[in-house]
Amino acid sequence: NAGVTQTPKFRILKIGQSMTLQCTQDMNHNYMYWYRQDPGMGLKLIYYSVGAGITDKGEVPNGYNVSRSTTEDFPLRLELAAPSQTSVYFCASSSPLQETQYFGPGTRLLVL
Amino acid sequence: AQTVTQSQPEMSVQEAETVTLSCTYDTSESDYYLFWYKQPPSRQMILVIRQEAYKQQNATENRFSVNFQKAAKSFSLKISDSQLGDAAMYFCAYRSFLAGGTSYGKLTFGQGTILTVHP
Repeated sequence: NAGVTQTPKFRILKIGQSMTLQCTQDMNHNYMYWYRQDPGMGLKLIYYSVGAGITDKGEVPNGYNVSRSTTEDFPLRLELAAPSQTSVYFCASSSPLQETQYFGPGTRLLVL
Repeated sequence: AQTVTQSQPEMSVQEAETVTLSCTYDTSESDYYLFWYKQPPSRQMILVIRQEAYKQQNATENRFSVNFQKAAKSFSLKISDSQLGDAAMYFCAYRSFLAGGTSYGKLTFGQGTILTVHP
């Protein structure tokens, strides 16, 4: 049981480039989340999904897009990367009946 | 909207001693969950302990315990017999009791407290 997996672990992007951060969970959770953690700060919610085909914005959605075509996968798309998107990105999942969120190991992104 | 505040950016403790990390929160809800997460240098988010607001009894997990003061909206974490492996960033987090509605189970985090453990 792998839980929540994220790829890549680390990536350097140039300003203006695009990329997709991958997130997969094998716990059949309906709810999935993307958070970002800036240096020395807490996590902030970017987007979330309550099931396949249903997504919504969190606190800091600008510059990002998501999709949810399956229960297992919740990719985060960065278009036109900017230095302000340098951060560590965490994917998490939970079920409506559970109070605990399970986190992936994070993806560290550096935009130069 | 809910907010979570951790007023101690850094704390330190001697090995085998006890340390308390503070957390306050603001909410208009009566039922909710509170969590403490540990983030070691590996960046993995590790759940330390959780508290249901409707329970008066403070949660305990081995060397970790909380002091939950609902009226004061305070939720502190006590680490007893501190170990070198406890060194990490600690985050306090809030979640609405109902996973649906406008919250969808999302977590609201505090800014974190860096804990250093001295041998």
